[in-house]
Amino acid sequence: EAGVAQSPRYKIIEKRQSVAFWCNPISGHATLYWYQQILGQGPKLLIQFQNNGVVDDSQLPKDRFSAERLKGVDSTLKIQPAKLEDSAVYLCASSLDGTYTDTQYFGPGTRLTVL
Amino acid sequence: GESVGLHLPTLSVQEGDNSIINCAYSNSASDYFIWYKQESGKGPQFIIDIRSNMDKRQGQRVTVLLNKTVKHLSLQIAATQPGDSAVYFCAEKTSGSRLTFGEGTQLTVNP
Repeated sequence: EAGVAQSPRYKIIEKRQSVAFWCNPISGHATLYWYQQILGQGPKLLIQFQNNGVVDDSQLPKDRFSAERLKGVDSTLKIQPAKLEDSAVYLCASSLDGTYTDTQYFGPGTRLTVL
Repeated sequence: GESVGLHLPTLSVQEGDNSIINCAYSNSASDYFIWYKQESGKGPQFIIDIRSNMDKRQGQRVTVLLNKTVKHLSLQIAATQPGDSAVYFCAEKTSGSRLTFGEGTQLTVNP
């Protein structure tokens, strides 16, 4: 079974530029998550989708971050404009149905460096 | 606050020894706990989980212990191998809330 796919794997931009990340979840998984992992810390949830609807975006900095999952399959996360503190690994995860003990499977992440 | 943390940032063991990685949580309402392993350059990988109605759960070479009285969670790895070298995170969920990760313990296995 193919895992969660993410691209690009690495991205370097200057502050105030924009950037987009792409995620393709495991086939058949209804729930998709975007996490931000700052170096040395655990992942922090940014947004959770159930099919193409948003379940939880309470920790998403909406003034600069946006995400969509228009057809309920793959998803994009955008940052515009980027700040230095956005340097982190952005992880996408998916799970079968988002129920309480549903296992989340993570992709390899995109490492973003903002200069 | 409602956070999950780890006692030690690093742990170094000899190959073949048993490893114990600890985690403290502060939210007494947390009722579901998961251990993840994250190797360099990869995303977290599910290892084992436990619900609050249990105090022990075993998997292949791994055991998770939960002590709700002191709000403490541990991951035991038997016969630790070089491939076990990674950062280990505990994570917790409370009904109606998101998965919250701690800050991780770096496990290094020496040959």
